[in-house]
Amino acid sequence: DAGVIQSPRHEVTEMGQEVTLRCKPISGHDYLFWYRQTMMRGLELLIYFNNNVPIDDSGMPEDRFSAKMPNASFSTLKIQPSEPRDSAVYFCASSLATAWVDRDNYGYTFGSGTRLTVV
Amino acid sequence: AQKITQTQPGMFVQEKEAVTLDCTYDTSDPSYGLFWYKQPSSGEMIFLIYQGSYDQQNATEGRYSLNFQKARKSANLVISASQLGDSAMYFCAMRGGNTGKLIFGQGTTLQVKP
Repeated sequence: DAGVIQSPRHEVTEMGQEVTLRCKPISGHDYLFWYRQTMMRGLELLIYFNNNVPIDDSGMPEDRFSAKMPNASFSTLKIQPSEPRDSAVYFCASSLATAWVDRDNYGYTFGSGTRLTVV
Repeated sequence: AQKITQTQPGMFVQEKEAVTLDCTYDTSDPSYGLFWYKQPSSGEMIFLIYQGSYDQQNATEGRYSLNFQKARKSANLVISASQLGDSAMYFCAMRGGNTGKLIFGQGTTLQVKP
């Protein structure tokens, strides 16, 4: 498996523009997570999905952020309109179900991240 | 509410020595999992080690071991025989209950000196 695939790796955009980040989870994983990493706030969980359904979006900073998972192999995180304070590294991660006793299945796999710069 | 705390923003260790990175957590869930990740300067998140709340023994993975003290709600990472390649940011993380939600501490930057 190629792992969790994120695109683009780097994105530079102007303030006010729409930005779409993409993620392809590992095949068979039923959880998908979007994180944002900044120096000031560390790694923040923005939203996560279980079987394509959003479970907890309490970390989404404001209405300018939206995330979708139209199918098990694809998710998007959209920022519209973008602002300079949105500049960060955005990670996507996927995982199998919460099988506490199954040590082979507890892992979360992260993508390489998208470095977003809004100027 | 769940919370992970890493109180050491930065640590130094001499090559070949052992180092302990601290992590405390707070949760009301009886069942939870604790994780450590390494993030080198290249930025990727690398899984290191996992400890389940019901595991009787401390987890070990090669040079990494997790000092799990359940009553004190601590899950410290011990790296033995440090190598220059261990220089990175280290994150403690927790998944609580049956939610699947994984939350992270603030991270500790480790620098290994030759």
